[in-house]
Amino acid sequence: GQNIDQPTEMTATEGAIVQINCTYQTSGFNGLFWYQQHAGEAPTFLSYNVLDGLEEKGRFSSFLSRSKGYSYLLLKELQMKDSASYLCAVRDVATNKLIFGTGTLLAVQP
Amino acid sequence: DTGVSQDPRHKITKRGQNVTFRCDPISEHNRLYWYRQTLGQGPEFLTYFQNEAQLEKSRLLSDRFSAERPKGSFSTLEIQRTEQGDSAMYLCASTHGRNRGLETQYFGPGTRLLVL
Repeated sequence: GQNIDQPTEMTATEGAIVQINCTYQTSGFNGLFWYQQHAGEAPTFLSYNVLDGLEEKGRFSSFLSRSKGYSYLLLKELQMKDSASYLCAVRDVATNKLIFGTGTLLAVQP
Repeated sequence: DTGVSQDPRHKITKRGQNVTFRCDPISEHNRLYWYRQTLGQGPEFLTYFQNEAQLEKSRLLSDRFSAERPKGSFSTLEIQRTEQGDSAMYLCASTHGRNRGLETQYFGPGTRLLVL
């Protein structure tokens, strides 16, 4: 079976740091993706991990532990425009399709 | 910017009608994916194409759904005899496929369907 879990909602303060966790159980694993999705818009690519460790891209970092089936997205120096849904997705090894979690709705407050 | 484009962006239809959506992938991308997203959920895989070949269909894709990619470029997704449960955002994504599909999928803006 395939199961991806992430918190439904989070709230953080402008300028702060927030960590969004994702745990997964899949029959095959070929990389983990994080996408950002603003209301009514398409998902936009943020980061990708296939090996264990931390990947840093500006204010965004993503971590993966394959042995624990765990990833997190770290957002630093939060801005109001970071208010969005953050989707964790695992790539299926056979077809490369993405299997998404339900998304974490992040609200950044002043 | 020649990203993934989808048409129409919004569609309102009555139950029982047929609808067709179009996706134009990024130029020279040979893999094309369709997903469906309902409110408060992540996107769910429907089907994908490698060039013109449809290689996998999800169980979500009932016999009322059909997808084509006749020339390996744009793709269409048709829903026949629409039901209210078909109301969702239909997303298209593409990758160049040169690395056995091990690339980032880039999404189009989506088509939002409302079935009355």
